[in-house]
Amino acid sequence: GAVVSQHPSWVICKSGTSVKIECRSLDFQATTMFWYRQFPKQSLMLMATSNEGSKATYEQGVEKDKFLINHASLTLSTLTVTSAHPEDSSFYICSATSLGQEETQYFGPGTRLLVL
Amino acid sequence: AQSVAQPEDQVNVAEGNPLTVKCTYSVSGNPYLFWYVQYPNRGLQFLLKYITGDNLVKGSYGFEAEFNKSQTSFHLKKPSALVSDSALYFCAVSPQEANNLFFGTGTRLTVIP
Repeated sequence: GAVVSQHPSWVICKSGTSVKIECRSLDFQATTMFWYRQFPKQSLMLMATSNEGSKATYEQGVEKDKFLINHASLTLSTLTVTSAHPEDSSFYICSATSLGQEETQYFGPGTRLLVL
Repeated sequence: AQSVAQPEDQVNVAEGNPLTVKCTYSVSGNPYLFWYVQYPNRGLQFLLKYITGDNLVKGSYGFEAEFNKSQTSFHLKKPSALVSDSALYFCAVSPQEANNLFFGTGTRLTVIP
């Protein structure tokens, strides 16, 4: 139980294009989903928190117009990196919590983005 | 402010020996504490958590951790290390009134055959 998937696992794109990353909870309804970014050999940095049907809450320093988050259903959240630049290259990881276990986040496998 | 410290970037242990990965935290109020493991190019896998109750928590793959309130520590332990335990381990803390996770910088565990 508590499986979270991400798609795609790898993406390479040209500078200036937009990239959409999907995060799905496969066997539970996710009350809250989180998006993290991880740089090489560093810890995870929380980017934003989203609840189904409401606007995401962004951490300080994260541009909401750059990183668009949509949480359209209880099993799907998407992160769109708009007008990507090489400095956006990173490992993006989502997590989700379920009703009744809101304290425990279950993580997806991550999406590696490379912007050329 | 909430923070998590993992004082060791790297821990090496021989296969079959006990292992300890250290974690200390600073959080207002009573914390929720977590350990996650990350394999190369993968997301984080949940290992165990402390919410309340018994200070010794048992988790996946034979790992356990002990919550020590006076020392504000939550060290991860395993009695007998396996080569397959080699990975990156993250300690995380969450204030009870919020579900935000604050991560340590990670400790790379290498189990030597």
